[in-house]
Amino acid sequence: AQKITQTQPGMFVQEKEAVTLDCTYDTSDQSYGLFWYKQPSSGEMIFLIYQGSYDEQNATEGRYSLNFQKARKSANLVISASQLGDSAMYFCAMSSDRGSTLGRLYFGRGTQLTVWP
Amino acid sequence: NAGVTQTPKFQVLKTGQSMTLQCAQDMNHEYMSWYRQDPGMGLRLIHYSVGAGITDQGEVPNGYNVSRSTTEDFPLRLLSAAPSQTSVYFCASSYSGGKNQPQHFGDGTRLSIL
Repeated sequence: AQKITQTQPGMFVQEKEAVTLDCTYDTSDQSYGLFWYKQPSSGEMIFLIYQGSYDEQNATEGRYSLNFQKARKSANLVISASQLGDSAMYFCAMSSDRGSTLGRLYFGRGTQLTVWP
Repeated sequence: NAGVTQTPKFQVLKTGQSMTLQCAQDMNHEYMSWYRQDPGMGLRLIHYSVGAGITDQGEVPNGYNVSRSTTEDFPLRLLSAAPSQTSVYFCASSYSGGKNQPQHFGDGTRLSIL
C-alpha cells in the first residue's frame, strides 16, 4: 500500500534561513509522482513542486527545491531564504499508476512551519 | 482565471439534513475529485471522476454521492448528514489524472454537522 510519512509535526525557522521538511514514502510501484502542497491559515491548498520517480534531476521552483533520494524513498522539501509568508502547513503527497484509483493522491499528515523574524 | 470554485465556503447542518457541495472548474480538466481533510489525518479521497458520466469511489465514499453531467461541474451530495462528516471538503481537478499532473484545489468548504 502507498504511504507517506511526515515525521515533523512542527518546524521553526528564522527569517532568511533555509529549512528542510522531511517526507518519506512507501510504495512498490516503479512509476510514481511526488508533490508538495502548502496550506496557509486561510485554508487553500497551493501546489508547490513536483518530482517524477524517473526524473534524474532534483526539481526546483524558485525558492523551493525537492531533495529526492530514491533509494532511501525520501522526498524532502527545501525552502531557501525563508519568509514570514512561508508560515503554513506543508503536505507531502504521492501519486501512482494504480488503475483502480487513477489520480488519487496519498497525503502525509503535514508539517506546520513557523517562520519567525 | 477562476480555476476550481467551491460553494459554499461554510455550512452548518443538522444531523439528518441533506445538502450538495458545489464544485466547478474552468480549465477543461477531465479529472475531478473530492477529498476531506480531518485534523491529523491529511486528505482522504472520497470520490473521483475521469470525465463526464464516469465516477468512481475513493477511500472514504460512504455517506456521499456524486455525479458528473458536464466536464465543468462535480457536485458532492450528503444524503443524510452525520456528525462524523464534519470536516473540510476540497474539490480538485487535473487534466487527466495522470501521476505527473498536479491537482488544482479549490478553497475548500468547511462543513459542521450538529
